[in-house]
Amino acid sequence: GAVVSQHPSWVICKSGTSVKIECRSLDFQATTMFWYRQFPKQSLMLMATSNEGSKATYEQGVEKDKFLINHASLTLSTLTVTSAHPEDSSFYICSASFNRASTDTQYFGPGTRLTVL
Amino acid sequence: AQSVSQHNHHVILSEAASLELGCNYSYGGTVNLFWYVQYPGQHLQLLLKYFSGDPLVKGIKGFEAEFIKSKFSFNLRKPSVQWSDTAEYFCAVNMNTGFQKLVFGTGTRLLVSP
Repeated sequence: GAVVSQHPSWVICKSGTSVKIECRSLDFQATTMFWYRQFPKQSLMLMATSNEGSKATYEQGVEKDKFLINHASLTLSTLTVTSAHPEDSSFYICSASFNRASTDTQYFGPGTRLTVL
Repeated sequence: AQSVSQHNHHVILSEAASLELGCNYSYGGTVNLFWYVQYPGQHLQLLLKYFSGDPLVKGIKGFEAEFIKSKFSFNLRKPSVQWSDTAEYFCAVNMNTGFQKLVFGTGTRLLVSP
């Protein structure tokens, strides 16, 4: 149980285009979903937290207009990288949790590797 | 800013050896602590977590971790590793401020040779 999927698993795009990444909780309803970014040999960095039906909360330094997050249902959150540039190339990972308690386990997706040419 | 340190970036062990991976955090308040594992080609999975009670926590696959508040540490241990434990291990801390924000360490790559 508690499976989270991401689509696509990898994407290559041209500079200036927008890319949408989907995160789905397959067998549970996720009150909260999270988006992380991971650079090579570095740790996961939280980008934003989204609760179903409300606006995402972005971490300091993350551009809201650059990384659009939509959490329209309890099983789907999307991250859109707008006007992507090479520096946006990274590994993007989502996670989901049943509730909003700080002790709740986050269940992670497999990640999406974005390469911007 | 809060941070999590994993001092061992790469660890190589033979099967049956004992394992201890270090994790230290910098935050003076109450914390919730997690260890996640990522097997090759797979996503992050929870090994164990601590948020209150007995500071010695037992997780899946024979892993355990001990929270030592005075040392701001949450080290992961396993008495006898197997080849199948080859993976990357991440320590993560939630500052228990009512939000679920996890701060991750940089991870430790464990290679267990048969």
